[in-house]
Amino acid sequence: ETGVTQTPRHLVMGMTNKKSLKCEQHLGHNAMYWYKQSAKKPLELMFVYNFKEQTENNSVPSRFSPECPNSSHLFLHLHTLQPEDSALYLCASRPKDSQLKQETQYFGPGTRLLVL
Amino acid sequence: AQSVAQPEDQVNVAEGNPLTVKCTYSVSGNPYLFWYVQYPNRGLQFLLKYITGDNLVKGSYGFEAEFNKSQTSFHLKKPSALVSDSALYFCAVRDLAGPGYSTLTFGKGTMLLVSP
Repeated sequence: ETGVTQTPRHLVMGMTNKKSLKCEQHLGHNAMYWYKQSAKKPLELMFVYNFKEQTENNSVPSRFSPECPNSSHLFLHLHTLQPEDSALYLCASRPKDSQLKQETQYFGPGTRLLVL
Repeated sequence: AQSVAQPEDQVNVAEGNPLTVKCTYSVSGNPYLFWYVQYPNRGLQFLLKYITGDNLVKGSYGFEAEFNKSQTSFHLKKPSALVSDSALYFCAVRDLAGPGYSTLTFGKGTMLLVSP
């Protein structure tokens, strides 16, 4: 185990539902990431939070809304999703390193999302 | 922009034989390169990384990778494959995305299948 946890592990939702994914780490890491993993495609970086501030949004539709209330928790709020949003959503975190020499990201197990 | 290419969707090898999973990269500046492995229904696990130093990097589970600057390659290798090595393998390169933080750009992944 990497020390990064994600809940729920599986989620089925309708297109009109609102749900949230949760990621948690108590490793003292200061950067947290959301990725989307779809079949036959490279991992897509969605959002980056650095010291609780969002530093990257890779043209993600507004139906995905991230929240980082503190350096240990990261949420992904979902609203009016489409079937093509079905995928594995992975959270990762990275240790604090001002010199950017410690680049390793540690991943959670992911949330398998199915949108009907 | 940084990029990595994994030219093989799938690699098949018999147990006990050596294995190689290929990765080539394109970066501006010095490359920071990574290999991750993903087992079914799990998140990505860090295997090894090259930052600087020896071109042959040793990692977890008996894996190693050889950095070749002239060929811009970072192939993953193992002298003797195990059935339990069957998984999806990702190569990644660091992206200096902004002041004080970085992201990883991943290849599309290579499925390794080790037969008994």
